[in-house]
Amino acid sequence: QLQLQQWGAGLLKPLETLSLTCGVSGGSVSGYYWSWIRQPPGKGLEWIGEMSHTGNSNYNPSLKSRVSLSVDASKKEVSLNLNSVTAVDTAVYYCAGRRAVSGSGFFDLWGRGTLVTVSS
Amino acid sequence: EIVLTQSPGTLSLSPGERATLSCRASQRVSSSYLAWYQKKPGQAPRLLIYGASNRATGIPDRFSGSGSGTDFTLSISRLEPDDFAVYYCQQYGSSPWTFGQGTQVEVK
Repeated sequence: QLQLQQWGAGLLKPLETLSLTCGVSGGSVSGYYWSWIRQPPGKGLEWIGEMSHTGNSNYNPSLKSRVSLSVDASKKEVSLNLNSVTAVDTAVYYCAGRRAVSGSGFFDLWGRGTLVTVSS
Repeated sequence: EIVLTQSPGTLSLSPGERATLSCRASQRVSSSYLAWYQKKPGQAPRLLIYGASNRATGIPDRFSGSGSGTDFTLSISRLEPDDFAVYYCQQYGSSPWTFGQGTQVEVK
């Protein structure tokens, strides 16, 4: 059973870079697309982007210019960088996984979430 | 992008009652690639339904999904205390994957 553990800085100043990492345990990172999804306080869920262990990626156009994703198969880690953050980027950020097969775009693996607050 | 609109925003029901939640898409969701999640405060979302009507592993049969095209429904046949939460639909037929804004099922 794959499990996801997240870590990263929880408090940032405007224009800094948000960096979060998701560690995958209990199996391999291959066979999945790894996504980041966020939920601002009191709001709904927003998909940020995804990447496979081979580097295939897919981004939400609304955030693409500021997002960088990476997957380190040897460390079994998935990383998110979001640059030039502002207060609107304050949210709980989730690492999530979906199987890399056609028609499997739903997320059956989730990390516990990391609250990131952007404040001067 | 496909915009998902969930209704109602809040559903006030008593334990034992039936809940019916709606998710309407701004354009057809191909192959009924629609999922439902349950979200509780401080917890990660939990996958309930995928492919519009398939229950995920370990999900009780009181949860059921239906629909196709642009209109989808999540039904909870008899609400149990643990079912009071926020429910989100998500489409994965067309990138970017998008979620609805959520329906809160609260205790009446």
